[in-house]
Amino acid sequence: QVQLQQWGAGLLRPSETLSLTCGVNSGSFNSYSWSWIRQPPGKGLEWIGEINHTENTNYNPSLKSRVSISADSSKKQFSLRLSSVTAADTAVYYCARGRTYYFDSSGHFLRSYYFDSWGQGALVTVSS
Amino acid sequence: EIVLTQSPGTLSLSPGDRATLSCRASQSVSSNYLAWYQQKPGQAPRLLMYGASSRATGIPDRFSGSGSGTDFTLTISRLEPEDFAVYYCQQYGGSVFTFGGGTKVEIK
Repeated sequence: QVQLQQWGAGLLRPSETLSLTCGVNSGSFNSYSWSWIRQPPGKGLEWIGEINHTENTNYNPSLKSRVSISADSSKKQFSLRLSSVTAADTAVYYCARGRTYYFDSSGHFLRSYYFDSWGQGALVTVSS
Repeated sequence: EIVLTQSPGTLSLSPGDRATLSCRASQSVSSNYLAWYQQKPGQAPRLLMYGASSRATGIPDRFSGSGSGTDFTLTISRLEPEDFAVYYCQQYGGSVFTFGGGTKVEIK
């Protein structure tokens, strides 16, 4: 059973850079993609971006100018940096594993994309 | 970007009732790329369904998913006490993931 453990600073001032890291405790790191997702207090989920085993990244267009995701496959870790934070960036940040395929009941290979394992979440508060 | 609209916002039901949750997309979504999650207070979301109708590991068969194109449904055939939670649909398209706003299933 894969577990994702995340850590990082929980309180930031406006204009600072958010930095979080997620560690994968078991299983293959290179067979999946790895995403960051956030959830403002009392609100819904927003995908931030992802990195895959070839270190290709893909970001939410709404955050792209401020986001950077990197990975260290030797340590089975990936990290999020979000620059120039404001109060609007206050949220619980989750790391998650992305699955890009599955086999249907007949054994057929099907392309897909969903998040099958999540970290415990980390509340990041931006306040002056 | 594909927008997912979930309805109703809140569903007030009793244990044993049937719950029907809707997820409507602003444009067609491949059913392969439609998933559902359950989230309880203070917890991370948990994968329920992928490929619109395939249950994730350990998910009981009272949960089922259906739909295609722009309309998808999550059905809970008989609500158990542990099913009262918030449910989100999610799609992947155009290299972007989006989530619906969620449906809260609360005890009536």
